[in-house]
Amino acid sequence: NAGVTQTPKFQVLKTGQSMTLQCAQDMNHEYMSWYRQDPGMGLRLIHYSVGAGITDQGEVPNGYNVSRSTTEDFPLRLLSAAPSQTSVYFCASSYRTSGGLSEQYFGPGTRLTVT
Amino acid sequence: AQSVTQLGSHVSVSEGALVLLRCNYSSSVPPYLFWYVQYPNQGLQLLLKYTSAATLVKGINGFEAEFKKSETSFHLTKPSAHMSDAAEYFCAVSDPAAYTGANSKLTFGKGITLSVRP
Repeated sequence: NAGVTQTPKFQVLKTGQSMTLQCAQDMNHEYMSWYRQDPGMGLRLIHYSVGAGITDQGEVPNGYNVSRSTTEDFPLRLLSAAPSQTSVYFCASSYRTSGGLSEQYFGPGTRLTVT
Repeated sequence: AQSVTQLGSHVSVSEGALVLLRCNYSSSVPPYLFWYVQYPNQGLQLLLKYTSAATLVKGINGFEAEFKKSETSFHLTKPSAHMSDAAEYFCAVSDPAAYTGANSKLTFGKGITLSVRP
């Protein structure tokens, strides 16, 4: 299994540009999520999905769009990039158990710089 | 909503010394709890997890954590620090499914950077 894969690893955007961060998992996990990591802030949830066709907002959703057309893929779209979106982005997947979510399996991250 | 508190942002220990990283959660119902480690320029790796079985949980690399319901804590320890333990550590909590239905979320603490002095 490849686990959770993310592309690209690095990206530089100009303010106002749009782009899509790709995320895929091959573990048939129902649950996928996107986080951003900023110094001193830990990981903050942007959007998540509990299955194909179902998405919901997390803690910091503004400026980002997601869709989940398949179980495997969960792309994150930046609509109009802003310097405040400079961050490291992690995609993760997990599955439900009777008592809550399993541990999350993380991708290697995408380091995004917006100038 | 769940919250996770990791006291302090940086801990420094000598090689061979005890490592203690604190984590407290807010919940009236015991959740699932996790510790993750992040080495520089890498993703997050699971160290250990508590899922309502044994309260003392052993993880990888000699780490363990004890779930204490009365203190709502899940502190991470390692008896003897190694230079390779220098990393950032995150505590995370999963909402109990019984209370949030299908949309359980994982909430992370802000992380603690562990430095190990020679």
